[in-house]
Amino acid sequence: SQQGEEDPQALSIQEGENATMNCSYKTSINNLQWYRQNSGRGLVHLILIRSNEREKHSGRLRVTLDTSKKSSSLLITASRAADTASYFCANLKQSGGSYIPTFGRGTSLIVHP
Amino acid sequence: DTAVSQTPKYLVTQMGNDKSIKCEQNLGHDTMYWYKQDSKKFLKIMFSYNNKELIINETVPNRFSPKSPDKAHLNLHINSLELGDSAVYFCASSQVHPSYNEQFFGPGTRLTVL
Repeated sequence: SQQGEEDPQALSIQEGENATMNCSYKTSINNLQWYRQNSGRGLVHLILIRSNEREKHSGRLRVTLDTSKKSSSLLITASRAADTASYFCANLKQSGGSYIPTFGRGTSLIVHP
Repeated sequence: DTAVSQTPKYLVTQMGNDKSIKCEQNLGHDTMYWYKQDSKKFLKIMFSYNNKELIINETVPNRFSPKSPDKAHLNLHINSLELGDSAVYFCASSQVHPSYNEQFFGPGTRLTVL
């Protein structure tokens, strides 16, 4: 499986509900980042959580990190139709002397008004 | 002002042709990247340059040749295009490498090879 796997692959909810997306990774990390991609657009950085952090908040976003389980979750509270997008987690995979940014396949979120 | 820009936004071409995609960032970043996103939205890094020096080359066919004339520009030239090259190509930049900081992405170039 790919480094940085998000689940579920697709999530459909009603406006006002919370949306939770999960990400698993394989190697040790320095940080883990979440990105959002609207249809037909580039990715936009949402939040970065460092390996020594367990939880981080930004507005309606809450990210948790469990390095023992090599997993992270992104919670969007009180979702809005405008949150409809794909969400990706990303981390750095060490390869030789380089760090390779590695993205998952994303979770496609649809928020119905 | 656009932070990371790419041209063209759409590119439709025949198999066997050679094409280029240009990328520019005005953020003063040292590191730039090229990614390929397939039809299933899987985003895979292709190349990374730090201060005009190639630092990542992720087993990309040598038909793909990146060129960085200066640290604000990273262009991608593709020779002998194949059907499987059809995808969306994203350029990105970040302040430091390795990318401890966030990456800023361009709007993408949708390449269709017929």
